[in-house]
Amino acid sequence: QIQLVQSGPELKKPGESLKISCKASGYTFTDYAMQWVKQAPGKGLQYMGWINTQTGKPTYADDFKERFVFSLETSASTAYLQINNLKNEDTATYFCARAHYFDYWGQGVMVTVSS
Amino acid sequence: DVVLTQTPPTLSATIGQSVSISCRSSQSLLDSDGDTYLNWLLQRPGQSPQLLIYSVSNLESGVPNRFSGSGSETDFTLKISGVEAEDLGVYYCMQATHAPYTFGAGTKLELK
Repeated sequence: QIQLVQSGPELKKPGESLKISCKASGYTFTDYAMQWVKQAPGKGLQYMGWINTQTGKPTYADDFKERFVFSLETSASTAYLQINNLKNEDTATYFCARAHYFDYWGQGVMVTVSS
Repeated sequence: DVVLTQTPPTLSATIGQSVSISCRSSQSLLDSDGDTYLNWLLQRPGQSPQLLIYSVSNLESGVPNRFSGSGSETDFTLKISGVEAEDLGVYYCMQATHAPYTFGAGTKLELK
């Protein structure tokens, strides 16, 4: 069955970096784009952007053009979200989701940024 | 960016009651390819969102047919015909016609 399995929770200090993974299984990884979505505590869903899994080209929403990097390891059917120079406001759960229909979602990674 | 306005923000329902959620877009969501990329998602407490309806009115596989979607251009509606306990959570509309994709603020469905 189709699954997106994300890495575990993260506790970081401001200024540090982290890299979240999203491993896909049950389908051909390069057939579908991968989306990234942020959900701050108690808040709604915020679209971060997507990565073309065939070309590796990322597209970022305006709020995520600095400090955020989408990447792939196609041989491992895995997409990554890297966040550099972490800030308190990056505290959130980060989801990956498949394709432009968002038909499958990862379980989410809870990121806490605190000094 | 496209703004999606969902109403009401909170909905109280009894089991078996039929309810509707509105989603209005600041721009037409009709794509040049003829499709309208308006989806509905449900996020149950503590869970990831799940796709219920795609392209306005298409029921995602495995989703009960008490859920239905309708609308066009800028006005869309999600209807639940006979709320069940498992339907409680936050409903989001989202659009994937115009970049960047955007989500509505959500409608929380709770038991009355």
